[in-house]
Amino acid sequence: GENVEQHPSTLSVQEGDSAVIKCTYSDSASNYFPWYKQELGKRPQLIIDIRSNVGEKKDQRIAVTLNKTAKHFSLHITETQPEDSAVYFCAASLRDTGRRALTFGSGTRLQVQP
Amino acid sequence: EAGVAQSPRYKIIEKRQSVAFWCNPISGHATLYWYQQILGQGPKLLIQFQNNGVVDDSQLPKDRFSAERLKGVDSTLKIQPAKLEDSAVYLCASSTIQGYSYEQYFGPGTRLTVT
Repeated sequence: GENVEQHPSTLSVQEGDSAVIKCTYSDSASNYFPWYKQELGKRPQLIIDIRSNVGEKKDQRIAVTLNKTAKHFSLHITETQPEDSAVYFCAASLRDTGRRALTFGSGTRLQVQP
Repeated sequence: EAGVAQSPRYKIIEKRQSVAFWCNPISGHATLYWYQQILGQGPKLLIQFQNNGVVDDSQLPKDRFSAERLKGVDSTLKIQPAKLEDSAVYLCASSTIQGYSYEQYFGPGTRLTVT
């Protein structure tokens, strides 16, 4: 089955700096890579996703890059703000007609210092 | 549209007791997932349904966990008997199999504490 590894486990940055979180996956068949943000005691919320036919996707201060050959993908947050503080999870799955379940990484706790 | 609903939000039971969780997915979503999230870890799939059929239950501890999705809408997840290591948040999620969207929508979760 799929295995997703995520680094770092904790990340502390100053407000306004950039943050980068990296993930690797094992199953070359995976074609969908979402990133979720989870605040304390709340449900995971999708913040951005990328499919395997695209190398990069950007949404305002958030961007995701995908390297299919190396089987890794990264989340980039620019101009970080205190409200970006949360746990971020990467995930991978094979999205076909069956909409396969997500395999999650272990999470990165991001702390943005004001 | 209304989101994924779950109940109860919190449950405290003693080990060896039984417990059941309920999930109502987003209307029209054919696929429903139950994930277990242990504190400090990412969610882990327990079982996936498409309509009322099981797609994947390979990580479900079948000696104590069971789940059903009658009529392809609501779902219940049961633990009997519970163990201390079952303390976790149980997240239900749903997604559509139609169109271009791949997104999974999560419910608020049920936080289970086994003492």
